[in-house]
Amino acid sequence: NAGVTQTPKFRILKIGQSMTLQCTQDMNHNYMYWYRQDPGMGLKLIYYSVGAGITDKGEVPNGYNVSRSTTEDFPLRLELAAPSQTSVYFCAGSRTSGGAGANVLTFGAGSRLTVL
Amino acid sequence: QQPVQSPQAVILREGEDAVINCSSSKALYSVHWYRQKHGEAPVFLMILLKGGEQKGHDKISASFNEKKQQSSLYLTASQLSYSGTYFCGTESATNKLIFGTGTLLAVQP
Repeated sequence: NAGVTQTPKFRILKIGQSMTLQCTQDMNHNYMYWYRQDPGMGLKLIYYSVGAGITDKGEVPNGYNVSRSTTEDFPLRLELAAPSQTSVYFCAGSRTSGGAGANVLTFGAGSRLTVL
Repeated sequence: QQPVQSPQAVILREGEDAVINCSSSKALYSVHWYRQKHGEAPVFLMILLKGGEQKGHDKISASFNEKKQQSSLYLTASQLSYSGTYFCGTESATNKLIFGTGTLLAVQP
């Protein structure tokens, strides 16, 4: 039982490059989330998904794209990387029966991205 | 809108108590509390649902006042292992979990 797995753990990008952060879970989570955490700061929601084929924007979606073709996978795509996207990215998942109010999140270990 | 936490940071001696507050401008369905150790992912502590309940385990407890859209986390007789950054997370009608500004707690021997 791996839980929520993120790859890569570390990555350095040049300005303008693109990349995909991978997130996969084997906990039968229906909800999945991507957060970013800048140094010394809190967690900001980028995108989230309540099921396969359904995604929605969070607080800071600009510069990112997501897809959810399967329940297990929720990749985050960065297009045209900028220094402002230097951050630690956390994927998280939860299993809920529906409706707000019971989303206990399990986080992945994080992916540290530096854009130079 | 991001919930606001206070204080931003607190330093305690082992055995002392602390209260961390979380306040939102939106109507809430639930409030979550997570703790993050340096260099690690956040870990779930507890969730409080609508109904003004109070929950706790060990010496950490929390309350949720849905009318005031506020929650408080109570840490009693703090231990070294309590050190870390505490985040509240608030959930409204849209299933989005939005985290607060964070409170850094340092427990010293």
